[in-house]
Amino acid sequence: GIQVEQSPPDLILQEGANSTLRCNFSDSVNNLQWFHQNPWGQLINLFYIPSGTKQNGRLSATTVATERYSLLYISSSQTTDSGVYFCAVTTQGGSEKLVFGKGTKLTVNP
Amino acid sequence: EPEVTQTPSHQVTQMGQEVILRCVPISNHLYFYWYRQILGQKVEFLVSFYNNEISEKSEIFDDQFSVERPDGSNFTLKIRSTKLEDSAMYFCASSEGWPYGYTFGSGTRLTVV
Repeated sequence: GIQVEQSPPDLILQEGANSTLRCNFSDSVNNLQWFHQNPWGQLINLFYIPSGTKQNGRLSATTVATERYSLLYISSSQTTDSGVYFCAVTTQGGSEKLVFGKGTKLTVNP
Repeated sequence: EPEVTQTPSHQVTQMGQEVILRCVPISNHLYFYWYRQILGQKVEFLVSFYNNEISEKSEIFDDQFSVERPDGSNFTLKIRSTKLEDSAMYFCASSEGWPYGYTFGSGTRLTVV
């Protein structure tokens, strides 16, 4: 099946810093989403981005489907950005299941 | 913004007991899913449900598990004879289907003691 690799696995930042999280996938995808899992365990949808670039406030994401990667940018990080960021994809070919990466654990210190 | 609602948020059960986790998907969505996340691990697919039947299931989804859409709004996951290793966060999700994304509920944290 498709492999979803996220890097880095852990990231520690000072408040106000910028960061880039990466997601590589091993096959063509129909769907790609970025999620933030907060300290209470909730999965918050950040972006639905199978291709192209989107921005939402301090967050933006870019997916280059032909090169099989996606990037999540966090600017001017805040302590509330802490948590685990997951990339998840569905493959072309009929399966509807989302395959998740192992996530990037982000800690933003005050 | 429409939400997927899961109840309960936390459940503690004795090993061997049956539990039912409940979900109310977004009303115009057609596809429904259950996912599981064991503490500290990645989110894993369990089952997808479309047109009142299972459309896909993972190896994890064995005879211990079942899903049901008992009425027009609820979507349930039943776990029979719970084991310690069933302790996890269980997420319900729904979607309109491609090319739309998934919306996840807030999860039910199941603890089997």
